[in-house]
Amino acid sequence: DVKVTQSSRYLVKRTGEKVFLECVQDMDHENMFWYRQDPGLGLRLIYFSYDVKMKEKGDIPEGYSVSREKKERFSLILESASTNQTSMYLCASKSPGLASTDTQYFGPGTRLTVL
Amino acid sequence: LAKTTQPISMDSYEGQEVNITCSHNNIATNDYITWYQQFPSQGPRFIIQGYKTKVTNEVASLFIPADRKSSTLSLPRVSLSDTAVYYCLVGGGGGGNKLTFGTGTQLKVEL
Repeated sequence: DVKVTQSSRYLVKRTGEKVFLECVQDMDHENMFWYRQDPGLGLRLIYFSYDVKMKEKGDIPEGYSVSREKKERFSLILESASTNQTSMYLCASKSPGLASTDTQYFGPGTRLTVL
Repeated sequence: LAKTTQPISMDSYEGQEVNITCSHNNIATNDYITWYQQFPSQGPRFIIQGYKTKVTNEVASLFIPADRKSSTLSLPRVSLSDTAVYYCLVGGGGGGNKLTFGTGTQLKVEL
């Protein structure tokens, strides 16, 4: 079974702090994604990466950056956390190729609260 | 990317069949249709995927009409444990890696 793990289930930070959210997958997937999920808004894509050191902006990249130094690890960085970044953050991975194999595997999520 | 529209919520009772319809009027030729299920405090989980006509697996069936502008997820004989949010997505075709999630449908199953 594919396993996607996230460094924390719950995190509380203060406004202005730098926050790192880590995601690790064990299936040698090329593609990894970061989403945030908010009530009434569903899942929104922040950034994704299709290879080591490669990244592309998703729908809501403002206020976030990412790092992909190793294939199995994709980090989401909040340079200066703000209260409007309080949310559930979900990481996912998948292998590229034919669309018929386009299944994203999600981690359990990190609930971040910024005070 | 094709935008999807689904009902915000649906209610059902145990043992009934539930059909959730998703509209995707501007689906592209290479796009596939994928459904995910999400329980509270968990990440979404893949349920089923299709391109056209009908697809069935051990969990659900997916019906896609010829024009592909909509699709229907069918859950046979639901139970309380099927209470979850169900997301319809289109995309992934043509080598694209990005899938867009909508707001999903909250299904509530009662006794």
